[in-house]
Amino acid sequence: NAGVMQNPRHLVRRRGQEARLRCSPMKGHSHVYWYRQLPEEGLKFMVYLQKENIIDESGMPKERFSAEFPKEGPSILRIQQVVRGDSAAYFCASSLTGTGGWNEQFFGPGTRLTVL
Amino acid sequence: DQQVKQNSPSLSVQEGRISILNCDYTNSMFDYFLWYKKYPAEGPTFLISISSIKDKNEDGRFTVFLNKSAKHLSLHIVPSQPGDSAVYFCAAGGSYIPTFGRGTSLIVHP
Repeated sequence: NAGVMQNPRHLVRRRGQEARLRCSPMKGHSHVYWYRQLPEEGLKFMVYLQKENIIDESGMPKERFSAEFPKEGPSILRIQQVVRGDSAAYFCASSLTGTGGWNEQFFGPGTRLTVL
Repeated sequence: DQQVKQNSPSLSVQEGRISILNCDYTNSMFDYFLWYKKYPAEGPTFLISISSIKDKNEDGRFTVFLNKSAKHLSLHIVPSQPGDSAVYFCAAGGSYIPTFGRGTSLIVHP
């Protein structure tokens, strides 16, 4: 029973390039959450998605960042024109339902993005 | 402005002793609190939670205490084991969106 999968685990981009981070939720989970952890910081919520819908993107920067969770395939977090400040660990979590406590969220191993 | 604070970035404890990790919060609307454990190169793993209607929750070696008047919670690990060495995050909130602290790195020495 595979857990939450994220790829790539490490991603290096030069300033101005695009970064695409993928998240495959646990089997049967239709709720996906993206978090970002900057160096020496805690995890910060970015966006909550269900299949084909963005439920809450209150933590997402207004520019350059977008997320989707299509009917088929993984959830994608896309960062356009990356800057050095985007360097961070990006974690995805999934849950079976969206209304429960957070103990229902299962985290993936994260993608570490480095912007040169 | 940090709403959830873990003021100790690190803690070192001898195997078999008690580990006490502390967390303070500022938002009185928070009504649900969790602790996550994180090993290097892995995602956070849920450890234990407590709702605001309780002041203590216990699960094996792990106990979380909540002091609402002081807006403070703590995680006790007794007895501590070397495998407990990890970063522990406190999280709090009133909805499905938790606010995380910066974490405390626990090292348990054999």
